[in-house]
Amino acid sequence: QSALTQPASVSGSPGQSITISCTGSSSDVGSYNLVSWYQQFPGKAPKVIISEVNKRPSGVSDRFSGSKSGNTASLTISGLQAEDEAVYYCCSWAGSITFYLFGTGTTVTVL
Amino acid sequence: QVQLQESGPGLVKPSETLSLICTVSDDSITSSTYYWGWIRQSPGNGLEWIGNIYYSGSPYYNPTLKSRVSMSIDTSKKHFSLSLRSVTAADTAVYYCARRDYSDAFHVWGQGTLVTVSS
Repeated sequence: QSALTQPASVSGSPGQSITISCTGSSSDVGSYNLVSWYQQFPGKAPKVIISEVNKRPSGVSDRFSGSKSGNTASLTISGLQAEDEAVYYCCSWAGSITFYLFGTGTTVTVL
Repeated sequence: QVQLQESGPGLVKPSETLSLICTVSDDSITSSTYYWGWIRQSPGNGLEWIGNIYYSGSPYYNPTLKSRVSMSIDTSKKHFSLSLRSVTAADTAVYYCARRDYSDAFHVWGQGTLVTVSS
């Protein structure tokens, strides 16, 4: 099994919206609505910002939203802010043989 | 709010066994709601899921590591553990413990502990 594919980097200006893709296969992203997204700052543990494709845990800004189409999940950050600069990872349940796959990670830069 | 804390040696020699413990701050380790997992991150790289375990046992592992990994849980001590055998430099990473809930997401993470494999 291999990691889910994400773009290495995405950038945007303050106030803009950006979208990060997470491409898997029909065995993982395409088969289950169990995609989660994590935000990670340097030297810190990841923090979940989206679960089950599009659910925001309590306390997570509503500027973060998730969606899925086919084998690709997406994370959209609206109203981009400097504090959103971080690395973002997706993760999907991939069935009872592979279990969990993480994405390759995307560095978000606020210009 | 529950906290997770990893502990164990920061340096392991090649071919030896890496052993870590994750201590859980509350009684949620006995809850049927959660699974308890280990995830690692090699320097400068992405995240890799290692395995999960339930309060009653029944671990399941990343198939790429399955031959070298074992996990156990001790609810009376509020901790769960990871053993990774026959380590090489490729196992050098920050190791995180985490709590997975019904949504299949890891909602609570430890701070992580760096384990270096070197002679």
